[in-house]
Amino acid sequence: NAGVTQTPKFQVLKTGQSMTLQCAQDMNHEYMSWYRQDPGMGLRLIHYSVGAGITDQGEVPNGYNVSRSTTEDFPLRLLSAAPSQTSVYFCASSYSRQGSNSPLHFGNGTRLTVT
Amino acid sequence: GQQVMQIPQYQHVQEGEDFTTYCNSSTTLSNIQWYKQRPGGHPVFLIQLVKSGEVKKQKRLTFQFGEAKKNSSLHITATQTTDVGTYFCAGPPRTSYGKLTFGQGTILTVHP
Repeated sequence: NAGVTQTPKFQVLKTGQSMTLQCAQDMNHEYMSWYRQDPGMGLRLIHYSVGAGITDQGEVPNGYNVSRSTTEDFPLRLLSAAPSQTSVYFCASSYSRQGSNSPLHFGNGTRLTVT
Repeated sequence: GQQVMQIPQYQHVQEGEDFTTYCNSSTTLSNIQWYKQRPGGHPVFLIQLVKSGEVKKQKRLTFQFGEAKKNSSLHITATQTTDVGTYFCAGPPRTSYGKLTFGQGTILTVHP
């Protein structure tokens, strides 16, 4: 099993550009989520999904969109990138539909820089 | 909203010394999870505590969940250089199972 796969590993964007961070898992996990990690601020939840067709907002959803058309994939879209979105982004999945009651499996992360 | 605070933010120890990080939540938690992130890596699950007052051990690591289910601690005995990394606690409030809130993490440096 590959686990949770994130692409790309690195990305540089100019302010105003759009892009999609990809996340796929092959563990048949119901729950998937996106976190951003900034120095001194830990991991902050952006969006999460408890199953295909269901998404909800986390702590810091502004500027990001998600969709969950399949169990395996959970892409994160930046519609108009801003320097404040420079961060490391982690996708994580869990077998429990509730998500927070079972261990999260993280991808290797995407390091995004917005200039 | 729920806040999860961790202290200290940084800890530098000599190899062989003990290390403790503390986690406090503003709300009662249904469970507490601990993760370790090596430099340049991604968070990796260590353990989950569910019961009030629960204590679990993994070799040199001891995890505790407070009686009120609002605080937790991770203690490492006789640190080794392989313990280097950031340790995060995370927990969901009892009223919101989908949202796992992470603490800011404690960065551990071990000097040989």
